[in-house]
Amino acid sequence: IAGITQAPTSQILAAGRRMTLRCTQDMRHNAMYWYRQDLGLGLRLIHYSNTAGTTGKGEVPDGYSVSRANTDDFPLTLASAVPSQTSVYFCASSEEGIGGTQYFGPGTRLTVL
Amino acid sequence: AQSVSQHNHHVILSEAASLELGCNYSYGGTVNLFWYVQYPGQHLQLLLKYFSGDPLVKGIKGFEAEFIKSKFSFNLRKPSVQWSDTAEYFCAVSPNQAGTALIFGKGTTLSVSS
Repeated sequence: IAGITQAPTSQILAAGRRMTLRCTQDMRHNAMYWYRQDLGLGLRLIHYSNTAGTTGKGEVPDGYSVSRANTDDFPLTLASAVPSQTSVYFCASSEEGIGGTQYFGPGTRLTVL
Repeated sequence: AQSVSQHNHHVILSEAASLELGCNYSYGGTVNLFWYVQYPGQHLQLLLKYFSGDPLVKGIKGFEAEFIKSKFSFNLRKPSVQWSDTAEYFCAVSPNQAGTALIFGKGTTLSVSS
């Protein structure tokens, strides 16, 4: 079934540790996104990528980095996790490019202690 | 800065009641508009979208939304809700230009009692 997969499903992480959240799509969408979802704040864009080889900063990029080596994969890295990064992280892709309909993955629940 | 406002944080309805969730955005140019739904424990799914044309759009599961450009609004409606509509609803806006992504509202939690 076509769609977006994310790994891990959930993770508990000690503060200061490095962590990479994985995201893979098989829909050949050019645009991909990372959001974090926090209670009462909705979804906030962390980073995005228009196409393979390019990335851009969203609303809350500090403490996070991304790469887009190919069309399918868009990993999100926390270089040194802090408790304020405890959240649910959603990866998404867009068939019409930036600004188009987005399709979401199942999410990764991350807890930083 | 561009923003999306959802007026209702939590709405509680009985089954068969009518639903209207408000959404307003702040952007003067052409926009694409979306409503997404997140059922408990699941990821976001597209309910409906508006890019152009008829400002009254119909989505899945009996939902519809009306784009009123003069009011910068895109309210979601359903004539008769069901218990299975219990979920969180997000309005999102995308300025129709390259290099921009979706801007989400903070969400409205809908609780429907049977």
